[in-house]
Amino acid sequence: KQEVTQIPAALSVPEGENLVLNCSFTDSAIYNLQWFRQDPGKGLTSLLLIQSSQREQTSGRLNASLDKSSGRSTLYIAASQPGDSATYLCAVKSGTASKLTFGTGTRLQVTL
Amino acid sequence: GAVVSQHPSRVICKSGTSVKIECRSLDFQATTMFWYRQFPKQSLMLMATSNEGSKATYEQGVEKDKFLINHASLTLSTLTVTSAHPEDSSFYICSPTTGGSGMNTEAFFGQGTRLTVV
Repeated sequence: KQEVTQIPAALSVPEGENLVLNCSFTDSAIYNLQWFRQDPGKGLTSLLLIQSSQREQTSGRLNASLDKSSGRSTLYIAASQPGDSATYLCAVKSGTASKLTFGTGTRLQVTL
Repeated sequence: GAVVSQHPSRVICKSGTSVKIECRSLDFQATTMFWYRQFPKQSLMLMATSNEGSKATYEQGVEKDKFLINHASLTLSTLTVTSAHPEDSSFYICSPTTGGSGMNTEAFFGQGTRLTVV
């Protein structure tokens, strides 16, 4: 059974700092990994999708890496802003039914 | 990205009543629909998977007679919480996909429904 863990569970940083969020998964036989953002009481916004054959993806200030063999992914946020404050979720797609398994999330607060 | 519409966004109902949640894929045909729920301060957990025109497959611990899923068309799926109780209060969110289970495709989600049972 796939299990996904995210560290840290919560993070508070001052505006302008670069930061790294971590995601680990137990079964490396994945199809892809996706990072999402969730604002309080809201749905999910897709940030980046990394296919199993890829090593990284970039979008603006965001960069996500994937090391499938070690079961790890990181989300790097450059020059953080207060608007980046949200919960960040990683999810891996795996298994015969191509199910998404979500991580526990990292709650980020960027302070002024 | 794909456009997914989920309705209602928020609902409060009395214990014992039923609530229907709709999920529409507006610009693509959803052959498969995933339904998730999220309890406060927890991550999303898959409840069930349905393919258009077929019965849904439920995850372990999810009561199929309580959470009725209808996926009769390629653009609409509904989740009905029957005889709701306070412990069913949660955030429910749908995720339609194309091409069957869509191994390499990006996942898109509805806006979610906050259900509160009083």
